[in-house]
Amino acid sequence: DVKVTQSSRYLVKRTGEKVFLECVQDMDHENMFWYRQDPGLGLRLIYFSYDVKMKEKGDIPEGYSVSREKKERFSLILESASTNQTSMYLCASRSPGGKDGYTFGSGTRLTVV
Amino acid sequence: SQQGEEDPQALSIQEGENATMNCSYKTSINNLQWYRQNSGRGLVHLILIRSNEREKHSGRLRVTLDTSKKSSSLLITASRAADTASYFCATDASGGYNKLIFGAGTRLAVHP
Repeated sequence: DVKVTQSSRYLVKRTGEKVFLECVQDMDHENMFWYRQDPGLGLRLIYFSYDVKMKEKGDIPEGYSVSREKKERFSLILESASTNQTSMYLCASRSPGGKDGYTFGSGTRLTVV
Repeated sequence: SQQGEEDPQALSIQEGENATMNCSYKTSINNLQWYRQNSGRGLVHLILIRSNEREKHSGRLRVTLDTSKKSSSLLITASRAADTASYFCATDASGGYNKLIFGAGTRLAVHP
């Protein structure tokens, strides 16, 4: 089974801090995604990547950046954390051809104080 | 942008009953997928239906797709308490980068 691992389940950071959320997948998938999930809003796409060193903006990229230096690792960066970035962050990778959908990590619940 | 919208927002049923959730979307799609999320966890892929398919089954799950109405439904038959979760539809829009757009989800509670 594909495994997507997010480095932290819970994280508390201070306003203005630079925050790194790490995501690693173990099945050599090319496509990886970062979503945030907020009550009543569902999942919203922040950034995605189709290959190493490649990135595309999703629907809500403001305040975020990403890094994909290796195929298995896709990092989400909050350049200067703000309280409105308090959320659940979910990383996912997509199977080749997409027939098995996405595999999600367990999520990181980030609180910015 | 929210492509899929689920209905109802919340559903409460007894064990053994069937649960039906609906999803509407706005643009042409390659496929539509359903996911399940247990409280505070990641999403789990349940089933994918392609735009040229009308119905698909997987165990106790039955998914239908009506592209003329831009809608889909997920039926869980003979529900169990363990089916309690949130269910999301997600669309893979035509002409896009194969990125999924999710709805806000349906919260299902199955009571013993």
